[in-house]
Amino acid sequence: AAGVIQSPRHLIKEKRETATLKCYPIPRHDTVYWYQQGPGQDPQFLISFYEKMQSDKGSIPDRFSAQQFSDYHSELNMSSLELGDSALYFCASSPSGSGAILGEQFFGPGTRLTVL
Amino acid sequence: EDQVTQSPEALRLQEGESSSLNCSYTVSGLRGLFWYRQDPGKGPEFLFTLYSAGEEKEKERLKATLTKKESFLHITAPKPEDSATYLCAVQATGFQKLVFGTGTRLLVSP
Repeated sequence: AAGVIQSPRHLIKEKRETATLKCYPIPRHDTVYWYQQGPGQDPQFLISFYEKMQSDKGSIPDRFSAQQFSDYHSELNMSSLELGDSALYFCASSPSGSGAILGEQFFGPGTRLTVL
Repeated sequence: EDQVTQSPEALRLQEGESSSLNCSYTVSGLRGLFWYRQDPGKGPEFLFTLYSAGEEKEKERLKATLTKKESFLHITAPKPEDSATYLCAVQATGFQKLVFGTGTRLLVSP
């Protein structure tokens, strides 16, 4: 079965650089979520989109922005990178509609961002 | 503020030794409680969703239960391949985000 696709899988950046992470949801999933997981920590919610509109917002820094496109893929843009931004970034997707299990989110493999 | 606490932080079992993982939560209004399994360096893998107190769900050697304050993940006769971090998360009514606990690292020895 098709899963959530994230690219790149690994990314190394210098401080103050910018990074763009991409997420391709499972086909027919219209909602995407972004989470940040630091080493040994639980995933922290950043932001979500439904039908290209921001649907919920968590602890996303002002330096980060995200959007969802007409094909439902999403991009997380990160600027002025700091050492503390080093983490695993997960994208998840879920369907809406009567066939969906309420709230269930399917996670991608993650992008490991290292800021040097 | 919605909060999830999992215990123990780490658990080591012998193959076949059953046990339970605990997830205590406080949430303004529970829309759903979720259990995920996470292997190192990988994304969380969905296991169960529970919606109301008294609900139970089973999948192979795993059984999840829910009360008004906590959830348990029971592991019956575990195998080494059950070794992973088990994450509990809650979703509050009106919100889409999942609030995760810090997880229980389970190691099952042969």
